[in-house]
Amino acid sequence: KAGVTQTPRYLIKTRGQQVTLSCSPISGHRSVSWYQQTPGQGLQFLFEYFSETQRNKGNFPGRFSGRQFSNSRSEMNVSTLELGDSALYLCASSLDGSLPIQYFGAGTRLSVL
Amino acid sequence: AQSVTQLGSHVSVSEGALVLLRCNYSSSVPPYLFWYVQYPNQGLQLLLKYTTGATLVKGINGFEAEFKKSETSFHLTKPSAHMSDAAEYFCAVSRVKTGNQFYFGTGTSLTVIP
Repeated sequence: KAGVTQTPRYLIKTRGQQVTLSCSPISGHRSVSWYQQTPGQGLQFLFEYFSETQRNKGNFPGRFSGRQFSNSRSEMNVSTLELGDSALYLCASSLDGSLPIQYFGAGTRLSVL
Repeated sequence: AQSVTQLGSHVSVSEGALVLLRCNYSSSVPPYLFWYVQYPNQGLQLLLKYTTGATLVKGINGFEAEFKKSETSFHLTKPSAHMSDAAEYFCAVSRVKTGNQFYFGTGTSLTVIP
């Protein structure tokens, strides 16, 4: 069974641009969560999608948005990029049920210049 | 509110020595507890999990952790460190009630000295 796939692995953008990251969950998983990882803040929860609906949301500005498609694939968008958005963005998928084990992708490394 | 505290952002051990990584959580109800490992430029890999039942759980690569409700702790141990254990380790807590939202500790970087 294929794992969680995130594309692209690396991105370089400049301030003010926008970026879209993609995440394909494990087959059969309907929940997709996004995290931002930085050396100073650690892993911070962005949002979770389930059945194309945002179910949980972290404490990030509105520049960070996401969506989920009917095949459970998810995208995350960051508009008007700032230098502080440079981070490793991780996606995790899980089966929805009584045991929420999350399986992580390798991440997308975003550098904002 | 839930939170996870990992004591010690950096831990160094000699190869062959005991590995002990500490994790304490705060939760109003019994949580699900997890340990993840992250190698450089990779995502997080599940080491082990506690849900219900036996409080001593065994994971991959010889790691184990014990859930101690009275101490609200879930420390990770390995009897004998190997060079390949050098990585970042994260403790996490989750409750089904909140959906699939995990709360992660700030991580502990493990260095293994040859």
